[in-house]
Amino acid sequence: SQKIEQNSEALNIQEGKTATLTCNYTNYSPAYLQWYRQDPGRGPVFLLLIRENEKEKRKERLKVTFDTTLKQSLFHITASQPADSATYLCALDNTGGFKTIFGAGTRLFVKA
Amino acid sequence: EPEVTQTPSHQVTQMGQEVILRCVPISNHLYFYWYRQILGQKVEFLVSFYNNEISEKSEIFDDQFSVERPDGSNFTLKIRSTKLEDSAMYFCASGTGTVNTGELFFGEGSRLTVL
Repeated sequence: SQKIEQNSEALNIQEGKTATLTCNYTNYSPAYLQWYRQDPGRGPVFLLLIRENEKEKRKERLKVTFDTTLKQSLFHITASQPADSATYLCALDNTGGFKTIFGAGTRLFVKA
Repeated sequence: EPEVTQTPSHQVTQMGQEVILRCVPISNHLYFYWYRQILGQKVEFLVSFYNNEISEKSEIFDDQFSVERPDGSNFTLKIRSTKLEDSAMYFCASGTGTVNTGELFFGEGSRLTVL
């Protein structure tokens, strides 16, 4: 069966450090992979999309890598800030836009 | 900036009652979705809707659920006879559905409490 696995343990880091979150998947052949941010009680907010032929994508302090051989994506936040504290969700879709499935997310806490 | 709006923000209902949750997607989007999130759990896919019909649905989306786009702007989720386990946050989302801009835009959610 298809699975998306994210580290269920919360990640605690010090302000200014780089946070690295992992997303592993099985039984998917996605054309693209997405990362979202979710704050408590709010809807997910899109951050980045990386396509299968892209190794790396950057947006401001965010960087995503996508290794289709390892079936893994890494999500980095550099120079982290307390405002980056949230749950980060990995999302995949095999169907060309009809059924995006989310991982359980990793909770990030950035301490000042 | 265009956004997805959902009403009501919170609804409390008795078990067995019908509930309709409403969403206004972003106006030029063509793909519409409902997700739910039980407290403390993951965001779960319920259904997608494109070209006035259901495109995909999950095993959660059984005969008690239905979706409709009644007037070209609203997108509704109906639960015919609510159960206690339907208590959750329900998120509507819309998107363009293309690979280049495949991101989903979510509303702020409708919290459903079934007593």
